[in-house]
Amino acid sequence: AQSVTQLGSHVSVSEGALVLLRCNYSSSVPPYLFWYVQYPNQGLQLLLKYTTGATLVKGINGFEAEFKKSETSFHLTKPSAHMSDAAEYFCAVSDVHQGAQKLVFGQGTRLTINP
Amino acid sequence: EPEVTQTPSHQVTQMGQEVILRCVPISNHLYFYWYRQILGQKVEFLVSFYNNEISEKSEIFDDQFSVERPDGSNFTLKIRSTKLEDSAMYFCASSAQAAEAFFGQGTRLTVV
Repeated sequence: AQSVTQLGSHVSVSEGALVLLRCNYSSSVPPYLFWYVQYPNQGLQLLLKYTTGATLVKGINGFEAEFKKSETSFHLTKPSAHMSDAAEYFCAVSDVHQGAQKLVFGQGTRLTINP
Repeated sequence: EPEVTQTPSHQVTQMGQEVILRCVPISNHLYFYWYRQILGQKVEFLVSFYNNEISEKSEIFDDQFSVERPDGSNFTLKIRSTKLEDSAMYFCASSAQAAEAFFGQGTRLTVV
């Protein structure tokens, strides 16, 4: 069975500082990996995804994540935090490469940006 | 930009009542999903739907739940007899073949 662990339910950084949100997964097959963001009172928006190929993937709003198979990790980073990045971030894994993609989510990390 | 739309945004219902949550997936998508998020907990998969039938469902999706695509555009989740523990945010999502899921804004269901 697949699972996702996000280390840290709350992360707080200063504006302009590096953002690092950690995600580790377990999967019995090569995974598809996703980061979603949820702004207050909104739905889940895809930030970025890894399927195959290049292990460093770039997403929207300056975020990127690196798939490290040896560490079973898919950490999310952004070099310089902006106030508008304050939101909840969810890492998710899917083991389905065709058809309906059932996602297994982590518990989420709430990111707070300090001025 | 195409989006998944859900109605209503908030539904309050009495325990034991039936509720129907509605979703309009993105028009050229083939796969449809319902997820739920109980307050303070993970987003959990409920069910996926393809070609007018359920392709996979979780343990949560018991006989009290059903899904339907009644008219080729809407995708509904029905809870027959709501319980207090059904209170959650329910998200609809859709995807194209082998592609990421796009989520709606969610319906907050409160069972009183």
